Amino acid sequence: GQNIDQPTEMTATEGAIVQINCTYQTSGFNGLFWYQQHAGEAPTFLSYNVLDGLEEKGRFSSFLSRSKGYSYLLLKELQMKDSASYLCASLNSNYQLIWGAGTKLIIKP
Amino acid sequence: GAVVSQHPSWVICKSGTSVKIECRSLDFQATTMFWYRQFPKQSLMLMATSNEGSKATYEQGVEKDKFLINHASLTLSTLTVTSAHPEDSSFYICSARGTTDYEQYFGPGTRLTVT
Repeated sequence: GQNIDQPTEMTATEGAIVQINCTYQTSGFNGLFWYQQHAGEAPTFLSYNVLDGLEEKGRFSSFLSRSKGYSYLLLKELQMKDSASYLCASLNSNYQLIWGAGTKLIIKP
Repeated sequence: GAVVSQHPSWVICKSGTSVKIECRSLDFQATTMFWYRQFPKQSLMLMATSNEGSKATYEQGVEKDKFLINHASLTLSTLTVTSAHPEDSSFYICSARGTTDYEQYFGPGTRLTVT
């Protein structure tokens, strides 16, 4: 089957760190994407993991464990502009993205 | 690089009319284009996968006669919503994948409102 699970909503404080988890079950897994989406806009690419481990890119890092079907997105030094929905998506063998429902991240001052 | 445009960015039409949305890859050749629909506070829903020069593959529950997809060139795909109804009002987003890429590059989206 193909399924993606991530929390519906999270709240964090400006300047803090937040980790958004994602679990997946994907046939013919070809990698895991994280996208950021602000309301009314298209998703923007954040990261892509296909091998196990942590990929760091500035304030954002993404981790993948293929054996556990698990990924997380780590956001450091949170800023108010980071308030958005974060979408986890796995790539299947047909190069189609299987999307999670998204995690709405609320940043409080 | 890897820019995808969509036109129009928003459109309002009357119930029963048809609307065409264009998706263009501006600086690369897109062998595969994807069409998504997103309702408020929901995630993206894949409608169809379109390969250049062949018929689109529609996801279960998506009416191919209502949502006509044409991918006639490596840089252009179009989605036509035929006989639109208010329930078709949504945010339509296309994405494109190049020949050697695993990544999908997203267009800015088209907001359709059917009155």
